[in-house]
Parts: sequence; structure tokens; C-alpha cells
Amino acid sequence: AQSVTQLDSHVSVSEGTPVLLRCNYSSSYSPSLFWYVQHPNKGLQLLLKYTSAATLVKGINGFEAEFKKSETSFHLTKPSAHMSDAAEYFCVVSVLLSGNTPLVFGKGTRLSVIA
Amino acid sequence: GAGVSQSPSNKVTEKGKDVELRCDPISGHTALYWYRQSLGQGLEFLIYFQGNSAPDKSGLPSDRFSAERTGGSVSTLTIQRTQQEDSAVYLCASSSDPTGETQYFGPGTRLLVL
Repeated sequence: AQSVTQLDSHVSVSEGTPVLLRCNYSSSYSPSLFWYVQHPNKGLQLLLKYTSAATLVKGINGFEAEFKKSETSFHLTKPSAHMSDAAEYFCVVSVLLSGNTPLVFGKGTRLSVIA
Repeated sequence: GAGVSQSPSNKVTEKGKDVELRCDPISGHTALYWYRQSLGQGLEFLIYFQGNSAPDKSGLPSDRFSAERTGGSVSTLTIQRTQQEDSAVYLCASSSDPTGETQYFGPGTRLLVL
């Protein structure tokens, strides 16, 4: 069965320093992978999406993620954190062949940005 | 254009009461999903509607939960005889993507059962 594991429940960085949010996936098939962001009291927003094209995916707000099949990872990075990046981030895998909803969410990583 | 909207944004109810949560999807989106987000957890799939097909109810946690979608648009999630463990944020999403991979989420309804 497809699943994702977000390795950190909480990450804290200083403003202007790099961000790394880690995600490992498990999939029997070539997966589609996503990162969603959820700001307080707001809906989930798609940051970026990988669907077997380029392994380095660029998203909104300067975020990017690299698909590494050998490591079954899809880590989210940003070179320089901004205060507005503080939010909950979810790594998501598509499970089109399961007969169920196509999206399976990780438990989330809360990103704090310190001034 | 308008996104997915949900109402109410917050709901406080007493244990044992019934609640109805509403979702207005993006116009023209044929697929509609309900998820539950409990504290410290990821999103848990509840139910999925696609066009006029029978809904996929495989994620509903108990028979106290039900949902309907009228006219292929607005959806209502009903929880009967609420329990404290039903307290969570209930999220609705809609999609026009045939694969369902690109979903647009509403802001959610925060339910608190006392």
C-alpha cells in the first residue's frame, strides 16, 4: 500500500536560513507526490507536484522538492525562510490504483520561523 | 473565481446531538471529497463523490457518519449522535481532474463536541 512518512513533526528555523522538510514514501507503483501547505485557519494549498517528469520540481513561494527513487524520498526545501512560511506542511502520495481516494496524506510537519 | 467554501466555520455541539456540515465545491468540479483532520494527524479520507456514480464511503468511521451530494454540487456531511472523539476539522475538496490528483480544499469546519 502507498504511504508517506514525514520524519519531523516540528521544524524550527531562523528567518533567512534554509528550510528542509523531510518525506519518505512507500509505493508499489511509480507514484505521484505532492506537498501541500496549510496556514492557520486557511485551506490547504498545493505547493508543488511530481508526476514522473523532471525529478526536481519547483513550486510556489520559492519552494522546491527533489524526487529520489533510490532513497524513496521527496524532501521539500527552500534556500531562505521567510516569516510567512510558518505553517503546517503535508507530504502526499497519489494512490490511483487503490480503488480509494487518490491522495494519502502524511501527518504533517509544523514549520516555525524565528525572527 | 470562487474557491471551495464550507459552513459553518466553527461548530460547538453537545455529545449526542446531530450536526450537519456543508460544502460548496468549485462550480463545474465533478469530484468532491470529505476528509477529517484530528489534532496532530494527517488528513483521514471519509467519502468521495464522482459525478452521478455511487459514492465511495469506505473511509467513513462508523454508521453515525453519512453524506449526500444534491444535484452534483453542494454536499452535506451529517454526524449523528456526536461523540467527543468526533471533534476535529472537517475538510472538503473538489476536483475537475479525472485522476483526482489535483484537489482544491476549503477552509474547513472546526467541530468541537463537548
